[in-house]
Amino acid sequence: QVTLRESGPAQVKPTQTLTLTCTLSGFSLSTSGMCVSWIRQPPGKALEWLGMIDWDDDKYYSTSLKTRLTISKDTSKNQVVLTMTNMDPVDTGTYYCARSMSSSWAFDYWGRGALVTVSS
Amino acid sequence: EIVMTQSPATLSVSPGERATLSCRASQRISNLAWYHQKAGQPPRLLIYGASTRATGIPARFSGSGSGTEFTLTISSLQSEDFAVYYCQQYDKWPPAYTFGQGTKLEIK
Repeated sequence: QVTLRESGPAQVKPTQTLTLTCTLSGFSLSTSGMCVSWIRQPPGKALEWLGMIDWDDDKYYSTSLKTRLTISKDTSKNQVVLTMTNMDPVDTGTYYCARSMSSSWAFDYWGRGALVTVSS
Repeated sequence: EIVMTQSPATLSVSPGERATLSCRASQRISNLAWYHQKAGQPPRLLIYGASTRATGIPARFSGSGSGTEFTLTISSLQSEDFAVYYCQQYDKWPPAYTFGQGTKLEIK
């Protein structure tokens, strides 16, 4: 059974760095073709893709956020980590991790999401 | 950057009727997916490759289109279908995803 689970702080202060972890189960990111992305959603608004890491440890980021983002993986722990620097109140929202495969490129499994509030 | 525009923003339809949702890309694309999202839940994949239903998705959901114009049709709406629907495109190089702003499908 494929599952993804986000974990991390529920609140951070402006200018701080956010670190979220996505724990994978039922599949391995070391398998050829596997990818994990981070996607966020401000309250009541649309989805926004942040970035992706693939089975070969290649990373790709949203053009508008790439200077603030780092995605890494720990295959031994089956985890993917998102780091976002210089957090601002506009970054408040639910952060999801989701799986895609190179065969379809669509997000077939999603975590339940982690709500992050940026406030002093 | 490719912009995805969905219409209408809100669609009111009665149960049992057909719903048609549109998605337009600002330039030609080759990879399109549809999701729906219910309140408090993550999105669920419905369609990928513009017209292929994801695993477990009922046949009343169908996707069509190519180039810049795409459509999601729900043939006979069930109560569980009322949700927000998103289209999403994928660029192979450099890899990037873009979502539309969503269409809220509500009960008439």
